[in-house]
Amino acid sequence: GESVGLHLPTLSVQEGDNSIINCAYSNSASDYFIWYKQESGKGPQFIIDIRSNMDKRQGQRVTVLLNKTVKHLSLQIAATQPGDSAVYFCAAPLQGAQKLVFGQGTRLTINP
Amino acid sequence: GAGVSQTPSNKVTEKGKYVELRCDPISGHTALYWYRQSLGQGPEFLIYFQGTGAADDSGLPNDRFFAVRPEGSVSTLKIQRTERGDSAVYLCASSSAPTGVDQPQHFGDGTRLSIL
Repeated sequence: GESVGLHLPTLSVQEGDNSIINCAYSNSASDYFIWYKQESGKGPQFIIDIRSNMDKRQGQRVTVLLNKTVKHLSLQIAATQPGDSAVYFCAAPLQGAQKLVFGQGTRLTINP
Repeated sequence: GAGVSQTPSNKVTEKGKYVELRCDPISGHTALYWYRQSLGQGPEFLIYFQGTGAADDSGLPNDRFFAVRPEGSVSTLKIQRTERGDSAVYLCASSSAPTGVDQPQHFGDGTRLSIL
């Protein structure tokens, strides 16, 4: 079946450094991707999305890159802050359906 | 504006009991979704409503699970004869997408259900 998955379950970076979280997907027909941030005890919070007609999209301190050739996307967070510590999920709609398929998440820890 | 609201935030009950979990979506959002999240995992889809009707209930694990959205706004997820394996965080999300999926789903903070 279709899947999305993150490459690393955990990632630690120093405060102020940039972080990159990677995600791979299996369905080459996937055309919409979303990144969520989930803090402990909270629901997933929308960060940024990207459609397949784009290679890159930027938000505030975040950039998502999409490489359709290798079915890979990444979330880059610039100048990380302690508040960036959370679990990050990539998600994509199951083809032909409304339901989102989530990866298992990467826990990002920002070290002071 | 107000986000997705879920109540209760925590629910502890005994095996075999009946529970109802409530979701109040973002005002004006026609699409509503229920997901279940186990510890250390990503959310897993349960059911999707477009308006009042359940457009896709393929994720409901068995017939003990049922959800309604009678007026196209608030939704209730109902679990009968609860089992310990039902323990999880139940998340609700809503979206403004009328038909297509190219709008983000916005999540509430979930109900943490514990079956003793």
